[in-house]
Amino acid sequence: NAGVTQTPKFRVLKTGQSMTLLCAQDMNHEYMYWYRQDPGMGLRLIHYSVGEGTTAKGEVPDGYNVSRLKKQNFLLGLESAAPSQTSVYFCASSSLAGYQETQYFGPGTRLLVL
Amino acid sequence: AQSVSQHNHHVILSEAASLELGCNYSYGGTVNLFWYVQYPGQHLQLLLKYFSGDPLVKGIKGFEAEFIKSKFSFNLRKPSVQWSDTAEYFCALGGSYIPTFGRGTSLIVHP
Repeated sequence: NAGVTQTPKFRVLKTGQSMTLLCAQDMNHEYMYWYRQDPGMGLRLIHYSVGEGTTAKGEVPDGYNVSRLKKQNFLLGLESAAPSQTSVYFCASSSLAGYQETQYFGPGTRLLVL
Repeated sequence: AQSVSQHNHHVILSEAASLELGCNYSYGGTVNLFWYVQYPGQHLQLLLKYFSGDPLVKGIKGFEAEFIKSKFSFNLRKPSVQWSDTAEYFCALGGSYIPTFGRGTSLIVHP
């Protein structure tokens, strides 16, 4: 099992450009999450999904959109990137809701917005 | 609302020293508590978790944590750290629907 994978691993964008981050899991997990990690801020939840076709806002959803068209994939989109979105993005999945069960994290995507 | 507080943001130790990282939470209901570790350049992975039962939980690599309900705490301990324990440590609370993470503690262990 590959677990949770993320693509790309690193990306540089100019302000105003758009991009999509892909998260894939092969554990048949229902729940998937997108977090951003910034120095001194810990992990902050952007959006999450409780199953195929569902999405919900987390703590810091502004400027991001998500889609969960297939159970194994969770996409995070930036429509118009801003320097404040420079961060490391982690995807996670869990078989039950994250508060009940261990979350499995991907390797992260480093995004730099100039 | 639920929250997690990690008071030690940066900890520097020498090898063989004992470690205790503080984690306090705020939540009025039943809690599930986690410690995750992130080694340099790697993703987060579970160190240990507490759901119920024995409040002293043992995890991987010799780590343990004690849930003290009266103090709303879930401190992480290791009697003797190694250089390879250099990492960032996150405490997480599962109270309501979505887990809440603390801001993390950066641990540096000098050989």
